[in-house]
Amino acid sequence: EIVLTQSPGTLSLSPGERATLSCRASQSVSSSYLAWYQQKPGQAPRLLIYGASSRATGIPDRFSGSGSGTDFTLTVSRLEPEDFAVYYCQHYGGSFTFGPGTKVDIK
Amino acid sequence: QVQLQESGPGLVQPSQTLSLTCTVSGGSISSGGYFWSWIRQHPGQGLEWIGYIYYNGNTYYNPSLKGRVTISVDTPKSQFSLKLSSVTAADTAVYYCARHPLGAFDYWGQGTLVTVSS
Repeated sequence: EIVLTQSPGTLSLSPGERATLSCRASQSVSSSYLAWYQQKPGQAPRLLIYGASSRATGIPDRFSGSGSGTDFTLTVSRLEPEDFAVYYCQHYGGSFTFGPGTKVDIK
Repeated sequence: QVQLQESGPGLVQPSQTLSLTCTVSGGSISSGGYFWSWIRQHPGQGLEWIGYIYYNGNTYYNPSLKGRVTISVDTPKSQFSLKLSSVTAADTAVYYCARHPLGAFDYWGQGTLVTVSS
């Protein structure tokens, strides 16, 4: 079973700053099945990135994904006030696995 | 625009069966290429995938819950359902239904909180 680890657990940044979030898999995975989600309190998660680097419909281009093998990154180039949330990575390999999440909060 | 909506009891007694239904609108549940999942989130915690169903009834469940989970589909009603048996307090969570073309969940329901308590 693939285990996803996310770091850091919490990222404290100011609006306008760049956020770099990491997702590491316990073994090499196909980048075709690596996705990122944003979740705000009281809301369902929202798909941001699929296939490691493809933005989902309606997602601003300040969000970008990269990586391959075991190491993947979600970058928010300039944080907007609405970007402060929890971010999850997820892998599909027959079954679905989520990482524990990274909380991006306001510094 | 595809929309998903969970429904079902918000309170279930321990040892009983949790039953939830997801109604899909704005798109056909029987159109090929999409799988329909249940996902849950324990209070203040991360996301746990429960299982999925295809419109033809094929299912795949999280091995950690296998044996207690049944997912079924009613294509004429555009609904799919979750049954989780022998629940305990550890099954208290927000339950989401979601759609995925293979690999990522692109549409989610708003979620419904189910509390297991006597």
